[in-house]
Amino acid sequence: DGGITQSPKYLFRKEGQNVTLSCEQNLNHDAMYWYRQDPGQGLRLIYYSQIVNDFQKGDIAEGYSVSREKKESFPLTVTSAQKNPTAFYLCASSILGGFSIFDEQFFGPGTRLTVL
Amino acid sequence: KQEVTQIPAALSVPEGENLVLNCSFTDSAIYNLQWFRQDPGKGLTSLLLIQSSQREQTSGRLNASLDKSSGRSTLYIAASQPGDSATYLCAVRRISSGSARQLTFGSGTQLTVLP
Repeated sequence: DGGITQSPKYLFRKEGQNVTLSCEQNLNHDAMYWYRQDPGQGLRLIYYSQIVNDFQKGDIAEGYSVSREKKESFPLTVTSAQKNPTAFYLCASSILGGFSIFDEQFFGPGTRLTVL
Repeated sequence: KQEVTQIPAALSVPEGENLVLNCSFTDSAIYNLQWFRQDPGKGLTSLLLIQSSQREQTSGRLNASLDKSSGRSTLYIAASQPGDSATYLCAVRRISSGSARQLTFGSGTQLTVLP
């Protein structure tokens, strides 16, 4: 089955801890994205990567970090510098990274992060 | 800066009714527009993608239209069913550089179809 997987589904973090959210895709897509969703709001872009070993900040990158060492994987670390990390985190991928009218994004099932 | 608005924020209809969800955006220089469905606590499912050169796209009971000049899109759902109950989000991809070229999302319309 082709698709995007995220783990874990639920994650609890204590104050001051860093946590890493996993995102893997087997769609052979070049581009991958991380979004944050807060209740009753649309998605906001945290980071995106259009190719291996390259990534760019989105609108709300402060307190987050990413890496892109493999085409299939784009992990997100929520650091202790992120002051309000409780949210639903969604990973997505697309073939072309936004350079085309044909570029369509596909999403994973999400990870719900709660700070205790 | 691109802003995307969806009205209404919530909508409740009886089963079988045809309905229209609205999406408006401020910058008409877009590559495409996507409509998504989100069930509670789940990820987004892509429903339709309309390229900037297209006026509409259809998939089953869904029809999405795009009017770039007025900055509007509509999602028409025919013969609604309780299984259509979900939040519907639209997102536009702006012709720009850097992160501004990525998707900008509306806050969604929460649809409830009553049996």
